[in-house]
Amino acid sequence: GIQVEQSPPDLILQEGANSTLRCNFSDSVNNLQWFHQNPWGQLINLFYIPSGTKQNGRLSATTVATERYSLLYISSSQTTDSGVYFCAESELIFGAGTRLAVHP
Amino acid sequence: GAVVSQHPSWVICKSGTSVKIECRSLDFQATTMFWYRQFPKQSLMLMATSNEGSKATYEQGVEKDKFLINHASLTLSTLTVTSAHPEDSSFYICSARTERGLNGYTFGSGTRLTVV
Repeated sequence: GIQVEQSPPDLILQEGANSTLRCNFSDSVNNLQWFHQNPWGQLINLFYIPSGTKQNGRLSATTVATERYSLLYISSSQTTDSGVYFCAESELIFGAGTRLAVHP
Repeated sequence: GAVVSQHPSWVICKSGTSVKIECRSLDFQATTMFWYRQFPKQSLMLMATSNEGSKATYEQGVEKDKFLINHASLTLSTLTVTSAHPEDSSFYICSARTERGLNGYTFGSGTRLTVV
């Protein structure tokens, strides 16, 4: 099956910094999603992005399907951005996640 | 927006007993719901896909007789962990596709199960 790899596994930022999270997949994906899980376990669907670029406030995502990767950009990070970011092929296959801690 | 309510948020049970977890879509109809298990500091693993009015589809390696799923209405899916053992202790999460289909998923807040 498809393998989904995320990097970096852990990231520590100072509030206000920018960051880029990466998701590589081993085969073609059709329904790439980005999710955020807050420190209390609640998951939120950030983007459905099989290709192209989308932006939502301080977050944006780009998927280059032909090269089998997707990037999540966080600008002007805030402490509330802390948690784990997962990419996934629809609801089926989740990456291991990037654990982000934003310090004030 | 679409809300999925999951209960209980945490439960402690004795080994050998059964635990039921409920997942309700509050303001939309969810014909399909998904159940996940998440061990500490690990990713989500899809356990099964719950379809209203029909049998659930289980992922490979998930025992259907141990993890009973019922989706009897368009707003309620339940997961029953039968004869629970300590190794079943985990964080269980449900989700549903919103009316936007693949463009959106809504998650329950999760249930932390501890089997002692």
